[in-house]
Amino acid sequence: NAGVTQTPKFQVLKTGQSMTLQCAQDMNHEYMSWYRQDPGMGLRLIHYSVGAGITDQGEVPNGYNVSRSTTEDFPLRLLSAAPSQTSVYFCASRPLDNTEAFFGQGTRLTVV
Amino acid sequence: ELKVEQNPLFLSMQEGKNYTIYCNYSTTSDRLYWYRQDPGKSLESLFVLLSNGAVKQEGRLMASLDTKARLSTLHITAAVHDLSATYFCAALTSGTYKYIFGTGTRLKVLA
Repeated sequence: NAGVTQTPKFQVLKTGQSMTLQCAQDMNHEYMSWYRQDPGMGLRLIHYSVGAGITDQGEVPNGYNVSRSTTEDFPLRLLSAAPSQTSVYFCASRPLDNTEAFFGQGTRLTVV
Repeated sequence: ELKVEQNPLFLSMQEGKNYTIYCNYSTTSDRLYWYRQDPGKSLESLFVLLSNGAVKQEGRLMASLDTKARLSTLHITAAVHDLSATYFCAALTSGTYKYIFGTGTRLKVLA
């Protein structure tokens, strides 16, 4: 099993550009989520989904959009990148029985 | 809204010593999770604590949960260098599916 796959691993954007971070899982997990990790702030929840067609906001949703058209994929879109969005982004998935989550390898995003 | 706090934020300890990392959460939570992260790497699940009084152990790490005190602890016994990492706790927001992470504890075990 591949688990949770994130692409790209690294990305540099200019302020105002848009991009999509991809996340795919092959474990048939209903729950998927996006976190950002910043020094000294732990992981903060951006958006999450409990199934195809269902998404909700987390702690820091502003500036990010998500959609969930299939169980496997949960892309994160930055519509107009800002330097404050420079961070490491992690995608995670887990079953709805709230057992452990599985994390992707992360995407290191720099906005200049 | 659920808030999760960990302390200490940084911990430097000698090999062979014992220490405890604390995780406090602000409102009722159904479950508590512990994860480990090595530098530049992803997060790896350590423990899932399901109920009050739950205790789980793996090697030199033992985690416990006191839901009445809204407190979980991660105890390290006879630390070794390989345990150097950042440890995160996360609590499940009661009645929802989302869970909130603490700020992490960066542990450095000195030989």
